[in-house]
This record gives sequence, structure tokens and C-alpha cells, in this order.
Amino acid sequence: QSVLTQPPSASGTPGQRVIISCSGSTSNIGSHYIYWYQHLPGAAPKLLIQRNDQRPSGVPDRFSGSKSGTSASLAISGLRSEDEADYYCATWHETLSIPVFGGGTKLTVL
Amino acid sequence: QVHLVQSGAEVKKPGSSVKVSCQASGDTFSSYSMNWVRQAPGQGLEWVGRITPAFGTTDYAQKFAGRVTITADVTSSTAYMELTRLTSEDSAVYYCALGALARLDPWGQGTLVTVSS
Repeated sequence: QSVLTQPPSASGTPGQRVIISCSGSTSNIGSHYIYWYQHLPGAAPKLLIQRNDQRPSGVPDRFSGSKSGTSASLAISGLRSEDEADYYCATWHETLSIPVFGGGTKLTVL
Repeated sequence: QVHLVQSGAEVKKPGSSVKVSCQASGDTFSSYSMNWVRQAPGQGLEWVGRITPAFGTTDYAQKFAGRVTITADVTSSTAYMELTRLTSEDSAVYYCALGALARLDPWGQGTLVTVSS
């Protein structure tokens, strides 16, 4: 059971916009920045969104993040086949004093 | 740009220990914490622990406390994660990742640890 709650799966067709949610509490998302990671099959996880809504250098602007209260979301617009991956939200947990991850959302491009 | 290279795959017997290394290129090794995250088959990402070389401090997830030891050699920019009393549930890909709090970037390529009799 992950501290942060994500839907286990999401899907869309090429060109569509998909949104992945991440729900937490005041002890984690409500108190700290949210980060999103993209985990492609056979590769290392990659930082996709930092500090709620900032894209690291090299991340396409098709990816965007937002946060409100104790929830956050990742939006992917102009969906491409290469976006098919697992997506994880992560944040710092104030009480546990450790980083915590969501359970991950498997994105399928139909 | 920092690049992390991990040691190769390991096959271990139940009850034994494994030690995985992660070498960083570049000069930021001591500036951040080196974290270890694992992914068991069919499961999500799970934080194991971290070391902050600048202070020599370590933090571990409660689940692994007493079984995991993370160390670092600043001279070679290498971090190590040792996990003892292995069971089949420890079979996973173990990643090292540099960063602070929940911002982890970059990540190593991963090391597959298989625990099997």
C-alpha cells in the first residue's frame, strides 16, 4: 500500500491528452513539492517534472504538472507511442522523513 | 553532468548478503545525498535509504532498518548498499539516484538482484 495514491492504469490514443492523478495528505503532498518520474521499460527512471510544475532541461513541453492542496496531476498532451511507460509521483513525507512514491500508473498508448 | 554507473547483476542464496556499488562521475558526489530505490517484479518504486557523504549521515526506510547499510567512498565517488539476510522478497532491481528530498536525478542503470535457492 503506497502512501501516495495513483490510478494503476491510464490510456489514450495518439494525439490525445491524458491526465494522471496523485493523491496524498497534509503530511506529504500538502507540505512539499511533488515530483514526477517516467519509467520506460528496461530503462532507469527519469525525472520528468520537478517542484510541482517545472520541467527539467530536455523534457518536452507536452508534459506538465500541477498541484492543489494534497493532490497533484501530470498531464501529457499530444500523446505519442514513446510515452508508453510507468509514471510515478513522489514527494517528501514530513512525518516519516523519507521520500515516498505513488504506486505508479501504467500508461498505454492505444 | 553527473553519470551513475552501478555494478552488475547478482544471484544470491536466501540468508546471504549482497553489496551493490554505484560510482558517480563529475564533482557533485559530495554535494547531494545518494539514494537507493528498488523495484520488485510487478511492483512500484520503493525507497531503501540514503547517505549524505558531506556529513557522513545515513537514513534508512524503517522496513529495511537493521538489514541495510549504505556507505560511501568520497575518494572514488562510489556509494555502496549492502543488504543482509536476503529472502526471495528482496529480488528486485536496485537503483542508485543522486538528489535531495524527493528530487532524484540522475539515476543509475539499475542492478538486478535475484535471491534464489
